[in-house]
Amino acid sequence: EAGVTQFPSHSVIEKGQTVTLRCDPISGHDNLYWYRRVMGKEIKFLLHFVKESKQDESGMPNNRFLAERTGGTYSTLKVQPAELEDSGVYFCASSQAHRDTRDYEQYFGPGTRLTVT
Amino acid sequence: AQKITQTQPGMFVQEKEAVTLDCTYDTSDPSYGLFWYKQPSSGEMIFLIYQGSYDQQNATEGRYSLNFQKARKSANLVISASQLGDSAMYFCAMREAPRNTPLVFGKGTRLSVIA
Repeated sequence: EAGVTQFPSHSVIEKGQTVTLRCDPISGHDNLYWYRRVMGKEIKFLLHFVKESKQDESGMPNNRFLAERTGGTYSTLKVQPAELEDSGVYFCASSQAHRDTRDYEQYFGPGTRLTVT
Repeated sequence: AQKITQTQPGMFVQEKEAVTLDCTYDTSDPSYGLFWYKQPSSGEMIFLIYQGSYDQQNATEGRYSLNFQKARKSANLVISASQLGDSAMYFCAMREAPRNTPLVFGKGTRLSVIA
């Protein structure tokens, strides 16, 4: 079974440009999460989808960030226009409840390292 | 509001020795879950172990065990028989009810295993 994948693995853009990050969750996982780790700080929650609906977007820093999950499969996170403080590693995670597991374990992707110069 | 505290920015351990990584948490929700993740230099986040707030016994997964002390609100990770491949960042995380609530992470502890 394929894990969570993210694209690109690295992105270097200039301030003011637009970048779109993509996350493909594990097939069949209804829950999809975006997290971000800014250098030296803890991993912070950004957004949670349940299927195609935004369940919780309380962690989105501002309206320069737009996340979508059309059809409840893959998700994109667009940053427009990018600012220097947006640099960091963006993680995607997915989860799905099963009756024979103890919890909604979140499986993480490898992350996208975004550098805004 | 829920909060995770990892007070050890970095730790060193001799190969084959055991090491304890500290984690304390704060929540007012009686139902919660505690997680530990490992992040090696390659960057991926690897799930290690989970402890539910109502679990009576401490969780164990191979060389990993979670020392859960509910009254003290601590969930320390114990790695036995350390290996060089254990060198990585370790993150403690928590989520409150319901079960698909997003995780709250600590700042992490960088573990270095010395040969």
